Amino acid sequence: ELKVEQNPLFLSMQEGKNYTIYCNYSTTSDRLYWYRQDPGKSLESLFVLLSNGAVKQEGRLMASLDTKARLSTLHITAAVHDLSATYFCAVDSNYQLIWGAGTKLIIKP
Amino acid sequence: EAGVAQSPRYKIIEKRQSVAFWCNPISGHATLYWYQQILGQGPKLLIQFQNNGVVDDSQLPKDRFSAERLKGVDSTLKIQPAKLEDSAVYLCASSPAQGAIEAFFGQGTRLTVV
Repeated sequence: ELKVEQNPLFLSMQEGKNYTIYCNYSTTSDRLYWYRQDPGKSLESLFVLLSNGAVKQEGRLMASLDTKARLSTLHITAAVHDLSATYFCAVDSNYQLIWGAGTKLIIKP
Repeated sequence: EAGVAQSPRYKIIEKRQSVAFWCNPISGHATLYWYQQILGQGPKLLIQFQNNGVVDDSQLPKDRFSAERLKGVDSTLKIQPAKLEDSAVYLCASSPAQGAIEAFFGQGTRLTVV
């Protein structure tokens, strides 16, 4: 059974700082997704990572995938308050997404 | 392009009552998913449709949950009778085809069972 673990589950940080969210998964997969969810809102796709070594960047967010280590990271550079949200990683398993528990990120001005 | 539409947005019912949720996927999307998201957790897949056929319903509590996707477009998810532990957000998502790179999510229906 594929398991997806995120850490930390909760992160409070100051604006301007850098931090990384980690996503580990237990079995082989070639697709990993990062989603953002604001309170009371739906899930917004951020990144889709399709191969080992894939790196994608959008603004202050950068995601990477190491399929050999079964690890993906979401790096936040010079955080701003608008990035406060819950971030989920999800791993494809036979065309189904298995989700991590989410990382609640609070960025203080 | 219109997104995935869900209704109602909120629903409060008493335990043992019935409730139904509706989803209209993005036009042309063959694959439709229903997820349950309990507060503080990631979404859990309940059922996946490919057109009007069920691909996976292994995590659907079939004694109380049912879902259909007539004509391969809109879908309804029903709970009968509801239990307190069914309180959650029910998310509908669609993608162009099974195995498509991205799925697009609706805003969800927040169900509270009292």
